Amino acid sequence: GAGVSQSPSNKVTEKGKDVELRCDPISGHTALYWYRQSLGQGLEFLIYFQGNSAPDKSGLPSDRFSAERTGGSVSTLTIQRTQQEDSAVYLCASSFGTANQPQHFGDGTRLSIL
Amino acid sequence: GEDVEQSLFLSVREGDSSVINCTYTDSSSTYLYWYKQEPGAGLQLLTYIFSNMDMKQDQRLTVLLNKKDKHLSLRIADTQTGDSAIYFCAAALDGGFKTIFGAGTRLFVKA
Repeated sequence: GAGVSQSPSNKVTEKGKDVELRCDPISGHTALYWYRQSLGQGLEFLIYFQGNSAPDKSGLPSDRFSAERTGGSVSTLTIQRTQQEDSAVYLCASSFGTANQPQHFGDGTRLSIL
Repeated sequence: GEDVEQSLFLSVREGDSSVINCTYTDSSSTYLYWYKQEPGAGLQLLTYIFSNMDMKQDQRLTVLLNKKDKHLSLRIADTQTGDSAIYFCAAALDGGFKTIFGAGTRLFVKA
C-alpha cells in the first residue's frame, strides 16, 4: 500500500514568509510524528499526534511553529515568519496507535530559507 | 531524559563486516530500532529488538543487545556498496509512544 506522503518535496522561500508543510500518513495509522533534521544532524522531535488526544508539542522550538491534524489523518506543519535557521529537512512519520510500533517515514520536505 | 549516542562515521571495504555501535541511557527502553537513511529519502526501518532479547538475526543483519551496559550494535555481513547510508539507532520510551533517535552513523563502503 501507499507509504507516508509529504509535500512539497522541496520548498524555497524568503526569510519572513510563512510556510505550510503537509503530511499524509499511512491509512489506519493513528499516530503521527514530525521531526526536523538539520544538515548532518540527527532527528529532532517536534510534535506527536495520537488519535483524538491532545498533541505532545514539547519539541516545538518556538511559537512560530504549529501543527494540526484534521480528521485524524492529514497533518500540516506551519512555520510563521521563517528564519534562516529553520532551513532543514522536515520528516513526518506515522505508526499504529499501540505502544512500541515502529514508525514509517516519508521522504521529507527540504526547506530552504533565503 | 533519554539520550542515544552513536559514532558519526564508519568506513569499511566491500565484502567486510560492518559493526555500528549505539549506547542509550534509559534502562526502561522496551524496543530498540535500527533505521537506514539513503540520500534524499526518509528513514527506513531495518530491524528492531525487544529488550528481553540479546540477539536477533535477519539475513545479513545481526543485532546484539547488552542490556546491562545499555549497548546495542548492528552488524552487516558482506557489506556492499549499496549499504552506504546513514544508520540511526533509536530507543522507544515513555510507554512506547515516543522514540529517541541517535545522531546517525554514516557508513562509507569502499569498492
